[in-house]
Amino acid sequence: AQKVTQAQTEISVVEKEDVTLDCVYETRDTTYYLFWYKQPPSGELVFLIRRNSFDEQNEISGRYSWNFQKSTSSFNFTITASQVVDSAVYFCAHSKAAGNKLTFGGGTRVLVKP
Amino acid sequence: GAGVSQSPSNKVTEKGKDVELRCDPISGHTALYWYRQSLGQGLEFLIYFQGNSAPDKSGLPSDRFSAERTGGSVSTLTIQRTQQEDSAVYLCASSRSGSGVYNEQFFGPGTRLTVL
Repeated sequence: AQKVTQAQTEISVVEKEDVTLDCVYETRDTTYYLFWYKQPPSGELVFLIRRNSFDEQNEISGRYSWNFQKSTSSFNFTITASQVVDSAVYFCAHSKAAGNKLTFGGGTRVLVKP
Repeated sequence: GAGVSQSPSNKVTEKGKDVELRCDPISGHTALYWYRQSLGQGLEFLIYFQGNSAPDKSGLPSDRFSAERTGGSVSTLTIQRTQQEDSAVYLCASSRSGSGVYNEQFFGPGTRLTVL
């Protein structure tokens, strides 16, 4: 069975600081997908990014970047120059290649103070 | 275009009553998912539809829970004889397909269910 672990339960930073969220996953699948979702105080889960297991290229999109390393089963997510609007709970998730349901981590609450 | 919609947004019911929760996915999305979010259990998968079929019902916690999807669109999650432990936010998501390139799921605002 798949398992996703987000060891950090809460991170508090001051605006403009960088924030890195850790995610470690366990899977026996050779092909799978990893996701990051954001859940702001309004409650709606917002899709942020997706990576395929066969593509370890790390990317930057605006203030977001991610570091996918299969060797350590990690899929970390960084917010650069954080803003108050980044305050939310961030979830890392895994899905099999076909199908499929998301297995979520426990979430990391990010609080950005002005 | 419109996102995933769910109704009602809030539902308060008495223990033992049946409830129906509705999900309207993004138009054209063939895959539909139900999850629930509670403080103790986090985000849990309930059921997955591809079209009108449910190839994965593995997350339904008991036989009091059932779901159907009609016309490849709207889905209803039914909870019979509700219990207090059913209190949670029930989230619906849809994706363009259930696999491959277009499998990112887009979530609705959820239905907050409170069982008294």
